[in-house]
Amino acid sequence: DAGVIQSPRHEVTEMGQEVTLRCKPISGHDYLFWYRQTMMRGLELLIYFNNNVPIDDSGMPEDRFSAKMPNASFSTLKIQPSEPRDSAVYFCASSFSTGTGFPDFGPGTRLTVT
Amino acid sequence: AQSVTQPDIHITVSEGASLELRCNYSYGATPYLFWYVQSPGQGLQLLLKYFSGDTLVQGIKGFEAEFKRSQSSFNLRKPSVHWSDAAEYFCAVDSGEHGSSNTGKLIFGQGTTLQVKP
Repeated sequence: DAGVIQSPRHEVTEMGQEVTLRCKPISGHDYLFWYRQTMMRGLELLIYFNNNVPIDDSGMPEDRFSAKMPNASFSTLKIQPSEPRDSAVYFCASSFSTGTGFPDFGPGTRLTVT
Repeated sequence: AQSVTQPDIHITVSEGASLELRCNYSYGATPYLFWYVQSPGQGLQLLLKYFSGDTLVQGIKGFEAEFKRSQSSFNLRKPSVHWSDAAEYFCAVDSGEHGSSNTGKLIFGQGTTLQVKP
């Protein structure tokens, strides 16, 4: 298996622009998570899906952030408009809901908003 | 609320020396505990996990961790550190919400950066 795939790996954009991050989970996994990593706040969960349905978006910082999962093999995290404080590494992870499942993490997307 | 504390932000050990990274958790029920490692510029890789059973858990790369309920701890150990172990290490607990004991929704500690001296 190729693991969790994220694109792009790096994104540099100007403040006010729309940013879309993409994720392809591991085939067969029914949970998908979006995490954000910053120096100040560490790793924090933004939102997660189960069977393509958003379960908990309480970690989404504000309305500028939105996430979708149109099918089992694709998810997007969108920021519109972007701000410099959104600069971070965004990780996508997926897992299978068994008793011993654990999240597999993608390589991350490093976002820089200037 | 569940939380994870890694008391040591940065640790330096000599190559070949033993290593212990501390992790304390706060959780009301039986926790599901994890250690992940992150090399610079990379994603997170699972080292080991504890769900139940034997409290001493073996992982990849020669790492092990011991679950101690009485101390609310899940410390990571390695008997002999290699230079390639230099990385950031994260302890995490599954939040166990929505009636499931294992959701994959993890709460992470702040991480411990390991530096290895030659």
